[in-house]
Amino acid sequence: EAQVTQNPRYLITVTGKKLTVTCSQNMNHEYMSWYRQDPGLGLRQIYYSMNVEVTDKGDVPEGYKVSRKEKRNFPLILESPSPNQTSLYFCASSFLGDRSNYGYTFGSGTRLTVV
Amino acid sequence: DQQVKQNSPSLSVQEGRISILNCDYTNSMFDYFLWYKKYPAEGPTFLISISSIKDKNEDGRFTVFLNKSAKHLSLHIVPSQPGDSAVYFCAASYTNAGKSTFGDGTTLTVKP
Repeated sequence: EAQVTQNPRYLITVTGKKLTVTCSQNMNHEYMSWYRQDPGLGLRQIYYSMNVEVTDKGDVPEGYKVSRKEKRNFPLILESPSPNQTSLYFCASSFLGDRSNYGYTFGSGTRLTVV
Repeated sequence: DQQVKQNSPSLSVQEGRISILNCDYTNSMFDYFLWYKKYPAEGPTFLISISSIKDKNEDGRFTVFLNKSAKHLSLHIVPSQPGDSAVYFCAASYTNAGKSTFGDGTTLTVKP
């Protein structure tokens, strides 16, 4: 089944303790991206990657890191999490070019709480 | 500056009627627009899209209209069904580019 898999689904952590949220896709998509969703707000883009070893900042990159060493994986790294990073996180992927027939494929989300 | 806006946080319609969800954007460089549907505890799923070279795109019960001069797009759902009850996000991006911008979403409730 074609999918984007995020792990973990839920995570509670303490301020300052480094964590990684993994994202993997099995569709050979070039493009991958991370978003966060906060109550009453839409999805805000954190980082995206156009291909292996090519990453760039979205609208809210502060406090986050990413890497794209393999085409299928795009982990999100919080080096020193803070309470304002408590949010619902989504990973997405797609082919580049004309997305008119399929848009992005999203993972199921990771709910992160930083205390 | 919010480049993509959905001004109605919620919309309630009767089953069988038309649902119209609206979205406005400010950046005229966007050339690609998409609608996603999101159920609780799930990721968004792609619904329908439209390129800036078109003004209408249909897929079954779903039609998206684009008015470039007004920088406005709308999603029409006809007829609405209770299973359509979800949060709908519009998004704008550039073909072959990485950045994408989402609206805040509109919660649609279709009453039986």
